[in-house]
Amino acid sequence: EVRLVESGGGVVQPGGSLRVSCVASGFTFNNFWMSWVRQAPGKGLEWVANIKQDGNEKYYVDSVRGRFTISRDNAGSSLFLQMNSLRVEDTAVYYCVRSGVAVAATLWDWGQGTLVTVSS
Amino acid sequence: QSALTQPASVSGSPGQSVAISCSGGSNDIGAYNYVSWHQQHPGKAPKLLIYDVSVRPSGVSDRFSGSKSGNTASLTISGLQAEDEADYYCSSYTTSNTNVFAGGTRLTVL
Repeated sequence: EVRLVESGGGVVQPGGSLRVSCVASGFTFNNFWMSWVRQAPGKGLEWVANIKQDGNEKYYVDSVRGRFTISRDNAGSSLFLQMNSLRVEDTAVYYCVRSGVAVAATLWDWGQGTLVTVSS
Repeated sequence: QSALTQPASVSGSPGQSVAISCSGGSNDIGAYNYVSWHQQHPGKAPKLLIYDVSVRPSGVSDRFSGSKSGNTASLTISGLQAEDEADYYCSSYTTSNTNVFAGGTRLTVL
């Protein structure tokens, strides 16, 4: 059974930083692209970033490029999202998502999410 | 990175069929057969319903079906049941190696 467990959410002030993590199990982590998707309270889903199996390709939504960094540790089956210069509009539940093999087209399995609140 | 477009809400009675449309452009829906649909119940994580336009993952009811024509995709739910009441999101892979979602459709079973 695929399991994705996020952690690291919390309350941070505007301009601050936070790193959220995801530990994966139940599949061969280094065979898959991985993604982060977020959902602001009461709003829809927004894709944030993805990362290739070897970590050498990373793509971001325009609104976070230059502020957020996605990374992975294949040995530890872990995915990370370093978030800097946080804004109020970054407040959301952040989901870790197992994506495809050849391309990150399909968002197969989702974690339960971790809530990040940016507020003064 | 423009979002896809789907109706905010649809409704139907038990046993009926409903369709949810999802419009995009030539850089996303029109570019590949990489359209997915996700179902989300309140307070829960999204669940993959359809991938590659029309393929159902193992365990998903055959009451859910997907299709695509040009830059528009559709999800059809037949034989509506009470448990189908949820939010539905379409997404597409893009020519920039990113994913993009629509704003979501709230399905109400009357």
